[in-house]
Amino acid sequence: EPEVTQTPSHQVTQMGQEVILRCVPISNHLYFYWYRQILGQKVEFLVSFYNNEISEKSEIFDDQFSVERPDGSNFTLKIRSTKLEDSAMYFCASSPAGPHNEQYFGPGTRLTVT
Amino acid sequence: GENVEQHPSTLSVQEGDSAVIKCTYSDSASNYFPWYKQELGKGPQLIIDIRSNVGEKKDQRIAVTLNKTAKHFSLHITETQPEDSAVYFCAASIVGSQGNLIFGKGTKLSVKP
Repeated sequence: EPEVTQTPSHQVTQMGQEVILRCVPISNHLYFYWYRQILGQKVEFLVSFYNNEISEKSEIFDDQFSVERPDGSNFTLKIRSTKLEDSAMYFCASSPAGPHNEQYFGPGTRLTVT
Repeated sequence: GENVEQHPSTLSVQEGDSAVIKCTYSDSASNYFPWYKQELGKGPQLIIDIRSNVGEKKDQRIAVTLNKTAKHFSLHITETQPEDSAVYFCAASIVGSQGNLIFGKGTKLSVKP
């Protein structure tokens, strides 16, 4: 059964450093998402991406964040200058059918900013 | 904006009993309501979903009900098994958005053998 994969599973970085989180969505999916979950809190939407552009973003997704689909398989989330409060679990999701349809989540990348 | 409240935060049942988790939402324009199961160290796994034009949906031991008037929806798990132990999240998606999901805080379900 096809799955969303994410690498790395755990990333430790120092405050102010740039990090890139990588995702490989399910191959025939066209809609991609990033969410984050701070320990003990709700899963929060960050950004949705379709047709090589951002279709929606939340207030959390400020200028420090960017997303890219550099090739036909990868979908990346970049944080330019990490802050302590960026420490969280980051989930990538993909959907075959777009808004208001099923989204399939990857296993997540745990980001720890020290 | 949309807010999703989920109750209870923890739920402990005996194997074979039923479990019910309830969610309320604030935006009457929400039209898609998935439920996710998250096991330790894994990402959320979609287990069932319902759309606003349907009142109930069932898949084997799992069912979801939706009351649009009251703006609440519930997950029902019958004949619970130890492998049902996990954190369950409800979510809602609003018409006019690009499908971003607003999640509840989660319910930790423990099924005791």
